[in-house]
Amino acid sequence: KNQVEQSPQSLIILEGKNCTLQCNYTVSPFSNLRWYKQDTGRGPVSLTIMTFSENTKSNGRYTATLDADTKQSSLHITASQLSDSASYICVVSANSNYQLIWGAGTKLIIKP
Amino acid sequence: EAGVTQFPSHSVIEKGQTVTLRCDPISGHDNLYWYRRVMGKEIKFLLHFVKESKQDESGMPNNRFLAERTGGTYSTLKVQPAELEDSGVYFCASSQVLYNEQFFGPGTRLTVL
Repeated sequence: KNQVEQSPQSLIILEGKNCTLQCNYTVSPFSNLRWYKQDTGRGPVSLTIMTFSENTKSNGRYTATLDADTKQSSLHITASQLSDSASYICVVSANSNYQLIWGAGTKLIIKP
Repeated sequence: EAGVTQFPSHSVIEKGQTVTLRCDPISGHDNLYWYRRVMGKEIKFLLHFVKESKQDESGMPNNRFLAERTGGTYSTLKVQPAELEDSGVYFCASSQVLYNEQFFGPGTRLTVL
């Protein structure tokens, strides 16, 4: 069964600190992996999209990694800001039908 | 450039009533997707349009849900009759290229009482 699991479920860190969010997936055949940021009451916003051959992709202070062999991805946030408080969702697309399979998200809270 | 817009932002209806949600994609985006997030669960795919044609509707939960995209511009998602378990947030997204970067609307929060 195609699944995406994220950890931790929630995370609280102090402003200025770094953090890493984890994603494991069992989607096959794999097409690409995406990280989305979703602010409360808003739609998800794409941070990165990685294909099979990409190991790392950065978008400002966000850096995503992908290990297609172990089917794991991480999202590292550097020098966190209060505006980083949001849910971060890992999403995997399967080659078979290109549907997006969503994780439950990690709720990140940045405290001043 | 305007983003994806959805209307209404909130809807509260009683069980058995009908509700129609509307999505206006980004101009020029042929691909339009509907998703749903029920309370405490992950977002799930409902269906995908390419222009006015339904490309994939495998995620539609049952025949109480009807999606249309007449003319290949905006789309509507009708729920008739609504049930309690239909409560959730309905997101619409659009993309220029199939399953490339998708741009999401703010969602419609549907509450069925």
